[in-house]
Amino acid sequence: EAGVAQSPRYKIIEKRQSVAFWCNPISGHATLYWYQQILGQGPKLLIQFQNNGVVDDSQLPKDRFSAERLKGVDSTLKIQPAKLEDSAVYLCASSRTRSYNEQFFGPGTRLTVL
Amino acid sequence: KQEVTQIPAALSVPEGENLVLNCSFTDSAIYNLQWFRQDPGKGLTSLLLIQSSQREQTSGRLNASLDKSSGRSTLYIAASQPGDSATYLCAPRRAGGTSYGKLTFGQGTILTVHP
Repeated sequence: EAGVAQSPRYKIIEKRQSVAFWCNPISGHATLYWYQQILGQGPKLLIQFQNNGVVDDSQLPKDRFSAERLKGVDSTLKIQPAKLEDSAVYLCASSRTRSYNEQFFGPGTRLTVL
Repeated sequence: KQEVTQIPAALSVPEGENLVLNCSFTDSAIYNLQWFRQDPGKGLTSLLLIQSSQREQTSGRLNASLDKSSGRSTLYIAASQPGDSATYLCAPRRAGGTSYGKLTFGQGTILTVHP
């Protein structure tokens, strides 16, 4: 079974530019998550999808971050415009359900904002 | 709001020792708790998932215990090896409310096992 795929693996941009990250979850996993991990900290949930609907985006900075999950499969996370403090690793995870099943993580995208 | 604390923050041990990593959490309304390892520059690898109704879960040299009512979980690593060197993260999974299913992470324990 293929794991969670993410691209790109690394991205360097200047502040005020825009950037997009892509995630393909494990086949059959209804729930998809985006986490932000700042250096030296544990991951923090940004947004949670159930199929193609948002079920929790309470920690997403909506003035600059947006995310979508078209057709309930792939997902894209966008930042526009980026700030210096957005430098972090962006992790995508998926699970079969929202409750009892393991969450599996992708390799992450390391974003550096200059 | 769930708060997760991991102790110790860092641990350096010689190869062969048995280890105990501690995780405490403030909200006991959870479905389960996952333990992960993270190697430098990599994503998270799931080690163990322990459901709220379970007391223990084992995989190879790893054993995790969970005491939901007191908000504690412990990860035991037997006969540690240099390949176990990584950051270990625990994450309880929220039950109930609009954000149920969410994992909340501690800051992790950085483990170094030297030959």
